[in-house]
Amino acid sequence: GAVVSQHPSWVICKSGTSVKIECRSLDFQATTMFWYRQFPKQSLMLMATSNEGSKATYEQGVEKDKFLINHASLTLSTLTVTSAHPEDSSFYICSARGRGRYGYTFGSGTRLTVV
Amino acid sequence: EDQVTQSPEALRLQEGESSSLNCSYTVSGLRGLFWYRQDPGKGPEFLFTLYSAGEEKEKERLKATLTKKESFLHITAPKPEDSATYLCAVQAAGQNFVFGPGTRLSVLP
Repeated sequence: GAVVSQHPSWVICKSGTSVKIECRSLDFQATTMFWYRQFPKQSLMLMATSNEGSKATYEQGVEKDKFLINHASLTLSTLTVTSAHPEDSSFYICSARGRGRYGYTFGSGTRLTVV
Repeated sequence: EDQVTQSPEALRLQEGESSSLNCSYTVSGLRGLFWYRQDPGKGPEFLFTLYSAGEEKEKERLKATLTKKESFLHITAPKPEDSATYLCAVQAAGQNFVFGPGTRLSVLP
């Protein structure tokens, strides 16, 4: 149990365009979803936390208008990178936590390359 | 401020050569310490959760232990397929995960 599906697994986009990444909890209701960013050979850096039906809480230094997070249902959260630039190229990972659960289940990640 | 450090940064082992990875933490009110395995280009895969000092958990060749200041991930007779980055994370009461930088393990055949 506790499977989180993340799509797409990789995407290449042109500079200035927007990209949407989806994160779905397949067999549990995710009351909280987290979005992380990971640079090569570095650990995960939390970008934002979202609770179902509420606005996301962004970590310091993360641009809210650039990284739009929507958590409209208990099984789906999306991250939209708006007006992407090459410096936004990174590995983005979502994770989800269900009601009453301590553990976090991670998605498989999305490799974003902006050219 | 909650902090997590891991050592060594990278570790090379010969197949069958047992070793330990360290995760040291400073956190107010530990709610849980988590170990994850991450393969290149993939999301972290859950291994263990430890909740209190003295607790131990095992899974195949891996054994995780916890004290009040650190956790160890012991790898017994590793195989090449154990090569990955091992991440530990701590969760304090009411707080989100704080991840360590990870240990990159390479097991040579």
